[in-house]
Amino acid sequence: EAGVTQFPSHSVIEKGQTVTLRCDPISGHDNLYWYRRVMGKEIKFLLHFVKESKQDESGMPNNRFLAERTGGTYSTLKVQPAELEDSGVYFCASSQSPRTEAFFGQGTRLTVV
Amino acid sequence: GNSVTQMEGPVTLSEEAFLTINCTYTATGYPSLFWYVQYPGEGLQLLLKATKADDKGSNKGFEATYRKETTSFHLEKGSVQVSDSAVYFCALSLNYGGSQGNLIFGKGTKLSVKP
Repeated sequence: EAGVTQFPSHSVIEKGQTVTLRCDPISGHDNLYWYRRVMGKEIKFLLHFVKESKQDESGMPNNRFLAERTGGTYSTLKVQPAELEDSGVYFCASSQSPRTEAFFGQGTRLTVV
Repeated sequence: GNSVTQMEGPVTLSEEAFLTINCTYTATGYPSLFWYVQYPGEGLQLLLKATKADDKGSNKGFEATYRKETTSFHLEKGSVQVSDSAVYFCALSLNYGGSQGNLIFGKGTKLSVKP
């Protein structure tokens, strides 16, 4: 069975450009999470989808970040326009329910120059 | 607020040495506690977990006990191997409300084991 898949694995963009990250959760997992790790700091929660609905988006840093989960399947996280401080590793995770194990993808390393 | 504090790394040990990585937490209510591991080039994997006070999580020779009185969940292994070299993250999850399932992580501790 395929795990959580994220792509691209790496992205280098210039300040002011737009980048879209994608996450494909494990099939059948209704819960999908986005996290971010900025260099040297802790992994921080961004938001949580249940199917196609945003359950909790309290961790989204500002309105330059837009997350969607069309049809409750894969999810995208768009950063527009990107700023230098957006650099970091973006992780996606999925689970069957909030109380069961969350499985993580390998992450997307975003570098804004 | 809710938070996790774990010992700063990096930690360098010789093979077969004893490992302890300290983790303490601050949380309202009774969270679940986790250790995640990230091997080089891979994603985060759940290593072990404990869901209530005095529970001991264990996996691959690693252990951690949920200590409510000291709000701690220290990771231990009696004899580390080179293959244990990775970054270890302590985390908690609240078991109630709209944040249920969301993980709060520590900064991570990089472990290097030398042969």
